[in-house]
Amino acid sequence: DGGITQSPKYLFRKEGQNVTLSCEQNLNHDAMYWYRQDPGQGLRLIYYSQIVNDFQKGDIAEGYSVSREKKESFPLTVTSAQKNPTAFYLCASSILGGYTEAFFGQGTRLTVV
Amino acid sequence: QKEVEQNSGPLSVPEGAIASLNCTYSDRGSQSFFWYRQYSGKSPELIMSIYSNGDKEDGRFTAQLNKASQYVSLLIRDSQPSDSATYLCAGTDSNYQLIWGAGTKLIIKP
Repeated sequence: DGGITQSPKYLFRKEGQNVTLSCEQNLNHDAMYWYRQDPGQGLRLIYYSQIVNDFQKGDIAEGYSVSREKKESFPLTVTSAQKNPTAFYLCASSILGGYTEAFFGQGTRLTVV
Repeated sequence: QKEVEQNSGPLSVPEGAIASLNCTYSDRGSQSFFWYRQYSGKSPELIMSIYSNGDKEDGRFTAQLNKASQYVSLLIRDSQPSDSATYLCAGTDSNYQLIWGAGTKLIIKP
């Protein structure tokens, strides 16, 4: 089955800890995105990547880091510098940037404990 | 600041009626528009894509685009309780980046 897989579904982070969220796609899409969604809010762009080994900051990149070493994979690290990381994180991909529709993974819900 | 605006709702519609969801955008260079449905606690799923002026129909859903008025809408005919969700509108700007609206919460009352 083609699709986007995010893991884990739920993640708990202690204060001062870095955590990494996984996103893998087998759709052969060039573009991949990370969004953050807070309760009752819309999607906010954290980072995006149009090609391997290249990525761009979105609107709320502070406290986050990414890598794009393979076309299929776009992991997101939430660093200790992100002071309020509790949120729903969504990974998406599209064939060619924003011109075509984006498809989403099932999301990772991150909670600080 | 490029924006896509939606009324946050909630929009309450009786079962079997037509639900009308609206979205406006600020970037005249926007080419593509998308409607997504998001159930509570779930990820968004694509319902419709529309690229040219006019109407596009898919089952009970009709997307309408008016580039002159910078307006895009989604009509849901014969609304069902399962249509209750938040509907997100997104458009691509002139740099081919997706710009998202905050979403409209739709409630279908049995």
